[in-house]
Amino acid sequence: DTGVSQDPRHKITKRGQNVTFRCDPISEHNRLYWYRQTLGQGPEFLTYFQNEAQLEKSRLLSDRFSAERPKGSFSTLEIQRTEQGDSAMYLCASSFETSGTDTQYFGPGTRLTVL
Amino acid sequence: GDSVTQMEGPVTLSEEAFLTINCTYTATGYPSLFWYVQYPGEGLQLLLKATKADDKGSNKGFEATYRKETTSFHLEKGSVQVSDSAVYFCALSHTGGFKTIFGAGTRLFVKA
Repeated sequence: DTGVSQDPRHKITKRGQNVTFRCDPISEHNRLYWYRQTLGQGPEFLTYFQNEAQLEKSRLLSDRFSAERPKGSFSTLEIQRTEQGDSAMYLCASSFETSGTDTQYFGPGTRLTVL
Repeated sequence: GDSVTQMEGPVTLSEEAFLTINCTYTATGYPSLFWYVQYPGEGLQLLLKATKADDKGSNKGFEATYRKETTSFHLEKGSVQVSDSAVYFCALSHTGGFKTIFGAGTRLFVKA
C-alpha cells in the first residue's frame, strides 16, 4: 500500500491553457474523490466516483472542469481554458466502501498556479 | 446545509503546553466527525475520528469527544511537541455519504 499519489505536484500555466492532473488511488479502494483547497481554507468537495461511475458533481465544478475514471482505477481532472481563479491545491482522496462512514485517504495534492 | 466551524489561528504554544482547538458543527442527523492534520509540504492525514455521540477518538496523544448536545468535537492534547506544528482540520461526513465537509483549518505553531 503506497498511498494515494498525484501527478504533477506543481503546475504553472498561463491563463487560457488546458491542464490535466492524475490521481492514483490506493489499489483496493473503489471510491475516489476530488477536492479543491484554496489558501487558508479547508478542502471543498468537487466530485466523486464509485468505480468508474461519476456519481456526484459539486456546483463548484463548472463546465470547464471534467473528471474521468475510465477503468475504475486512476482518475484524471482536466481544466479547460484556465482562469486565475482556478489557482488552488487540487486534492484527490480514495476510500473503500463500507456500510458505515468511509475514511478517506488523501494524496499530497497538485498545486496549480494560473498566471 | 452542513457546516463545520473551528477556531481561527494561528495558535502559538510553548512545548509541553496544553492544546485545545475548538470545533463545532451544524448537520442533520448523526454525522461522523474527524480531525485531519496537514504537516508542512504533506497531504492531509486522518488524525482521529468518532462515529457516534459520546465516542472519544484518540491518536498520538490527541483526543476529541463527540458531544451531540453541544454539537462539538474539540481537539485536545495534554503536552504538545514542536513536531505537532501543523494545520488541523475538523470535518464531518454522513453514513453512506460521499463527501467530507471541512472547517477552514487551524494552524498550530509550537515553540521549543
